[in-house]
Amino acid sequence: LAKTTQPISMDSYEGQEVNITCSHNNIATNDYITWYQQFPSQGPRFIIQGYKTKVTNEVASLFIPADRKSSTLSLPRVSLSDTAVYYCLVSGGRRALTFGSGTRLQVQP
Amino acid sequence: DGGITQSPKYLFRKEGQNVTLSCEQNLNHDAMYWYRQDPGQGLRLIYYSQIVNDFQKGDIAEGYSVSREKKESFPLTVTSAQKNPTAFYLCASSIELTGSYGYTFGSGTRLTVV
Repeated sequence: LAKTTQPISMDSYEGQEVNITCSHNNIATNDYITWYQQFPSQGPRFIIQGYKTKVTNEVASLFIPADRKSSTLSLPRVSLSDTAVYYCLVSGGRRALTFGSGTRLQVQP
Repeated sequence: DGGITQSPKYLFRKEGQNVTLSCEQNLNHDAMYWYRQDPGQGLRLIYYSQIVNDFQKGDIAEGYSVSREKKESFPLTVTSAQKNPTAFYLCASSIELTGSYGYTFGSGTRLTVV
């Protein structure tokens, strides 16, 4: 299983762009990279998924370099409501996903 | 609307009792999962099921049991053998086991031992 490493916490201010980087050095060829967002006392919510290069949707962008050993979740112009825990996961193997501790993002006014 | 329903939202258990947490999905997903989350921690995998009548232990299965008699349902029983059951329990489902299409989570059940 590919192990992921991401910062424990990050702080930002409203209106700023936030980039959260995840390291996954032993990612396998058939693995996808998926990011989830979790608010207190709620289940995680799917944000974005990618395999290589760049993926963008209405809430975030995901940048994956050619070697795929890391990925960066980019949240443009964050607001207070983006304060949450963000999980980076690598999937594709024949077992369930393992969530790490995630990155706690605190957005200040 | 399709989704996952967990019930109850809050559950209190006396020591020595077994309790069952319900998880139902109407997404027609094959795979289902149970996770446990302790305060300030990430999610730890308890059990998962790829298909009806089949399930596998996750990382912390001791003290828990599951069944998968129907595609839509994956109940979790917290037995008296689980020594520290107070936690937030999350059920999830996905189209298939690899999660390549993403997981959908329920809203969770908070279990407290009293």
